[in-house]
Amino acid sequence: AQSVAQPEDQVNVAEGNPLTVKCTYSVSGNPYLFWYVQYPNRGLQFLLKYITGDNLVKGSYGFEAEFNKSQTSFHLKKPSALVSDSALYFCAVRDRKNSGGYQKVTFGIGTKLQVIP
Amino acid sequence: DAGVTQSPTHLIKTRGQQVTLRCSPISGHKSVSWYQQVLGQGPQFIFQYYEKEERGRGNFPDRFSARQFPNYSSELNVNALLLGDSALYLCASSPAGTVTDTQYFGPGTRLTVL
Repeated sequence: AQSVAQPEDQVNVAEGNPLTVKCTYSVSGNPYLFWYVQYPNRGLQFLLKYITGDNLVKGSYGFEAEFNKSQTSFHLKKPSALVSDSALYFCAVRDRKNSGGYQKVTFGIGTKLQVIP
Repeated sequence: DAGVTQSPTHLIKTRGQQVTLRCSPISGHKSVSWYQQVLGQGPQFIFQYYEKEERGRGNFPDRFSARQFPNYSSELNVNALLLGDSALYLCASSPAGTVTDTQYFGPGTRLTVL
């Protein structure tokens, strides 16, 4: 079975400071990992994904994430937070070994990011 | 290009009724997936369709069904609605439905069951 943990319900950061949103995963094989952002009353917007290769993945809006296999983590980061980054962030995983050839993705419960002006 | 579109935006039903939700994928995308997002939770996978065939199913009862049409649009049907079916229903499309494809989500349909 595949699972994702987002240990923080909410992260508060001052505008201009670096931000980190944490994510750890559990899969039986190798993971595909994703980050999505959700603004109020909106669907999910894709930020970035890790499939293979370089452990540091760069995505939309200045976000990046680092895949760490030994710590089974995929933390989302941004060097300088903006007030407009305030939203709900979801980490998601797909197990490469047990995917069954389809796209079932398991999401975490989400982390609310609040950027304080 | 237009993104994934879903209709209706909001829907209110009573227990025991049936509901149909609709989704149009991004042009050129052949795979559609459906997710249920209960308030305060992450989305949960319901179905994936590719080329009109069901490719995957999540842990949902048989009251939930779906289909995909030749133009790749899709419908999600829920019968005998329960209060617990109240949620945001999200549709996602991807080009080929492979395990490495990125899924792009629509704005969702908010279903309220009274």
